[in-house]
Amino acid sequence: SQKIEQNSEALNIQEGKTATLTCNYTNYSPAYLQWYRQDPGRGPVFLLLIRENEKEKRKERLKVTFDTTLKQSLFHITASQPADSATYLCALEGSYIPTFGRGTSLIVHP
Amino acid sequence: DTAVSQTPKYLVTQMGNDKSIKCEQNLGHDTMYWYKQDSKKFLKIMFSYNNKELIINETVPNRFSPKSPDKAHLNLHINSLELGDSAVYFCASSQSDGLTSTDTQYFGPGTRLTVL
Repeated sequence: SQKIEQNSEALNIQEGKTATLTCNYTNYSPAYLQWYRQDPGRGPVFLLLIRENEKEKRKERLKVTFDTTLKQSLFHITASQPADSATYLCALEGSYIPTFGRGTSLIVHP
Repeated sequence: DTAVSQTPKYLVTQMGNDKSIKCEQNLGHDTMYWYKQDSKKFLKIMFSYNNKELIINETVPNRFSPKSPDKAHLNLHINSLELGDSAVYFCASSQSDGLTSTDTQYFGPGTRLTVL
């Protein structure tokens, strides 16, 4: 069956460091993968989309990589700030049903 | 301007009651969705509508009935509420046709439903 895995444990890092979050998937051949940010009590907000033929995508301090051989996407936040603390969800397009991972909580300490 | 709005934000009710959640989007999107996020934060799709037509119905009990009066609105009616229905319900919309691709999802603020 199709599965998306994100680290269930919270990632704690110091302000200024680079945060790296992982999204692994099995039994998918997605045309693209998306990353969303969710703050407590709010709906997810779209951050970045990367297509299967793209290795890397950047937006300001954010960088996403997509390795279709490893079936993995990495999400990086450089020069992290306490305001980056949130849950980050990856989402795959598969059989027209949008499927989300459970998300990884990121906590950036000042 | 609010892109995707939901009402109410909080809903507390007794088991067995019937309740509705309303959703509206002003983005001009053709496809709208309902998701359920449980206590473990797992976000799972329930329904999607494209231009007022049901596209996805993900094995949701028939106590849940979505209604789309026009493509900017997708309401969710729940009959005979059960304890297990307690969750946060998110409405979303996207530009896709809902069949061949799932473009960026724009989410509402969520409705926290508590069934006592």
